Parts: sequence; structure tokens; C-alpha cells
Amino acid sequence: LAKTTQPISMDSYEGQEVNITCSHNNIATNDYITWYQQFPSQGPRFIIQGYKTKVTNEVASLFIPADRKSSTLSLPRVSLSDTAVYYCLVGAFNDYKLSFGAGTTVTVRA
Amino acid sequence: DVKVTQSSRYLVKRTGEKVFLECVQDMDHENMFWYRQDPGLGLRLIYFSYDVKMKEKGDIPEGYSVSREKKERFSLILESASTNQTSMYLCASRTTPGERGTEAFFGQGTRLTVV
Repeated sequence: LAKTTQPISMDSYEGQEVNITCSHNNIATNDYITWYQQFPSQGPRFIIQGYKTKVTNEVASLFIPADRKSSTLSLPRVSLSDTAVYYCLVGAFNDYKLSFGAGTTVTVRA
Repeated sequence: DVKVTQSSRYLVKRTGEKVFLECVQDMDHENMFWYRQDPGLGLRLIYFSYDVKMKEKGDIPEGYSVSREKKERFSLILESASTNQTSMYLCASRTTPGERGTEAFFGQGTRLTVV
């Protein structure tokens, strides 16, 4: 499993864009990148997944450069309700194991 | 909607007790997981299973065991609870990962306190 490194915490204000970068220098060819979001007192939930270039959905965008050694989760115009822990995971398509790390705690202030 | 249900939201047990944490999913998922979550440490994988009666150690299996007798149910067992097992425990499930991987669905968690 590729090791990931992401910031421990980030602060932001309502209406700003938040970008969380995850480093995964030893990512393998068949690894994909997945981000989960965890609100206080809840289990994590899937938000976005990608293999290369850019992926966008109604919640976030995921930017993956050509070398795939890092990825950036972008949350547009955050609100107080986006305060959560965000986890970056890297793993093979057919890997049954699913390991999380410490995640990035994003705090959005008014 | 996928539902992953953990049997208890809060649990208090005594040191040395045998503790069972139950998890049931209703989507016929093959892959199930148990994690514990502690402040500053994120989610740590204890055990996972990819089929009935199949189990694999995760990253921190010491002091725990699991049982998967039926596809929908995955149980975490603390053979002899200790105070350092006080934690939030989270169960998750997903279908078999394939060409694109699959998302995991989590239960609400069980906050276990061992006194």
C-alpha cells in the first residue's frame, strides 16, 4: 500500500476555497486515489475518487498531476458544515485491505 | 440506501470481560472492516474480511479477534478487555473491489469504555 502524507490541520473561513494536498510518492501503476470525509460523531463517507487528471462531482474536485505522486482535494466555497476530517487513501483497484491514516482536520470559521 | 448497523452506540465494560461488537450490513457486501479511532491517530484498521469465514489482520490486530459466520454480519471480539481498548470502534462494508475500486460505507460507531 502506498504511504500517504497530508497536513494534520487546516483552518479556513466561510466562502473560501480549501485545497488539501496529499503526497503519495510511491504510488503504484494500479493504485487509485480516494478521499473520505468524516463529520464529528459520524463514520467517514466517500466523497471522490480518481486515477489521473481531474475529477469533479457535486461535493469536491480532485486534481492529480501527471506523475501522480500527489493529489489535491479542492472544496469550493466552504461553509461551516464542511468542518470535518478529510482522509486521503491510495490503494490498488483489487485490494481488499482499506487503510486510513490520521487525516486532515479542516475547521471552517464564520 | 446502504445501511451498516452497529449493535450499540455506547458500551461500558469492565477490565477482563469478553466483549462482542456486532456489525450488520444489508447490501450483500463481501468486504467488511473493523477500525478503531482515537484522537490524533485517525482510523486504524483492526481486521477485515473478504468473504464468509475469511478474515485478515489489519494494522493493529493485537488483542482482538473477529468472526464472520454469515455474509451480512461481522463481529469484533475483545477476548479480555483492557483500558487501552477504550476507543470509538467503526465498522464498514463494501462490495468486492474491482477495476475501479468501490466506496466503503460506515456504521455510526460504538464508543466503548473499559473501566
